[in-house]
Amino acid sequence: GEDVEQSLFLSVREGDSSVINCTYTDSSSTYLYWYKQEPGAGLQLLTYIFSNMDMKQDQRLTVLLNKKDKHLSLRIADTQTGDSAIYFCAESNTGGFKTIFGAGTRLFVKA
Amino acid sequence: DAEITQSPRHKITETGRQVTLACHQTWNHNNMFWYRQDLGHGLRLIHYSYGVHDTNKGEVSDGYSVSRSNTEDLPLTLESAASSQTSVYFCASSPGTGREQYFGPGTRLTVT
Repeated sequence: GEDVEQSLFLSVREGDSSVINCTYTDSSSTYLYWYKQEPGAGLQLLTYIFSNMDMKQDQRLTVLLNKKDKHLSLRIADTQTGDSAIYFCAESNTGGFKTIFGAGTRLFVKA
Repeated sequence: DAEITQSPRHKITETGRQVTLACHQTWNHNNMFWYRQDLGHGLRLIHYSYGVHDTNKGEVSDGYSVSRSNTEDLPLTLESAASSQTSVYFCASSPGTGREQYFGPGTRLTVT
């Protein structure tokens, strides 16, 4: 079945860029999402990209999509301590009945 | 502002008891979902609904049930709570099939 994989941990220094990577298996994906989960809270939609796009930029966030390799990345520029959280990659398609989530990447930002 | 709320936020119950977790959204979304989140398993889908009187099983539905009598609410019932159901439960809603989901703050359930 469909699967989404992410590395579990990433540690960066404050002010550096963070890059969180994700791979997925469903070649019919329509939407690819990044969600952020802060401690004790639910997931919050950060950004998303349509599968017919290569890149999307939203302030400090840049999403890159390599559809051929089924690889999605989230780059956070000038990472701040407030960016420390778990980041979930997810994919869905309009013909499917559910969204597939990765296990989440825990981002540590060192001051 | 539209929102999605869950209650209670924390619950401790005993094995064998029936427990109901509430979920309420004011976005008028047709699609609603229940997930559980456990270390090492990420998010796992329990049940979902595409509209009033529609309910469907997810990948970990055993021991859980839902009902959808109106657009705003999707309560999750644990028929006979088991220790394996100790988890954090998230409700979510979505404006359309495959679209982004909006999550509630979660309910931490402990079954002793």
